[in-house]
Amino acid sequence: TQLLEQSPQFLSIQEGENLTVYCNSSSVFSSLQWYRQEPGEGPVLLVTVVTGGEVKKLKRLTFQFGDARKDSSLHITAAQPGDTGLYLCAGGDQTGANNLFFGTGTRLTVIP
Amino acid sequence: EAEVAQSPRYKITEKSQAVAFWCDPISGHATLYWYRQILGQGPELLVQFQDESVVDDSQLPKDRFSAERLKGVDSTLKIQPAELGDSAMYLCASRDRGNTGELFFGEGSRLTVL
Repeated sequence: TQLLEQSPQFLSIQEGENLTVYCNSSSVFSSLQWYRQEPGEGPVLLVTVVTGGEVKKLKRLTFQFGDARKDSSLHITAAQPGDTGLYLCAGGDQTGANNLFFGTGTRLTVIP
Repeated sequence: EAEVAQSPRYKITEKSQAVAFWCDPISGHATLYWYRQILGQGPELLVQFQDESVVDDSQLPKDRFSAERLKGVDSTLKIQPAELGDSAMYLCASRDRGNTGELFFGEGSRLTVL
């Protein structure tokens, strides 16, 4: 099992604030995905990054894959209550086995 | 819109009983995963199938858990006997061939062991 540590574990902020969630590992991944999960539902994909140093933007969300492909960050600008949820990073291993290992999760609450 | 189907949605059982969960992935998806998720934490991979073959079951507690995907389509995850610590959400996901594609998750089966 390849461990992905996310920080912070919990985050509660006011609407309009910015935030960054981090995903770190000692392992190298072939790809890195970010998912958001709402209560009672399965995770839903937000983005996939595959190249070291890659940056992708999705409206107010910015995702970055570390140069060494061991870490990633998710930055949200001007958070809204609809951003509330459990954010999960997931790394694809390099063995070709098509495994996907999830991080420990960051629970975000955006207060109106 | 195609989706991953799971049943039952909720299951309450007493310890030492047997439980089974069923998953029907998106049609044509070769890879199927079973994950276990403790509330508020990230999903933990239990078993991965490629078609009907097990690719990875290294984290599956084989003394009590079993999984099968006999025809390479739907899958069953069984626990016998259930223990208190098995209480969790059991998520099924499927993915088309390739290792960077999106995982599509079902709504999960929430197990409570009393």
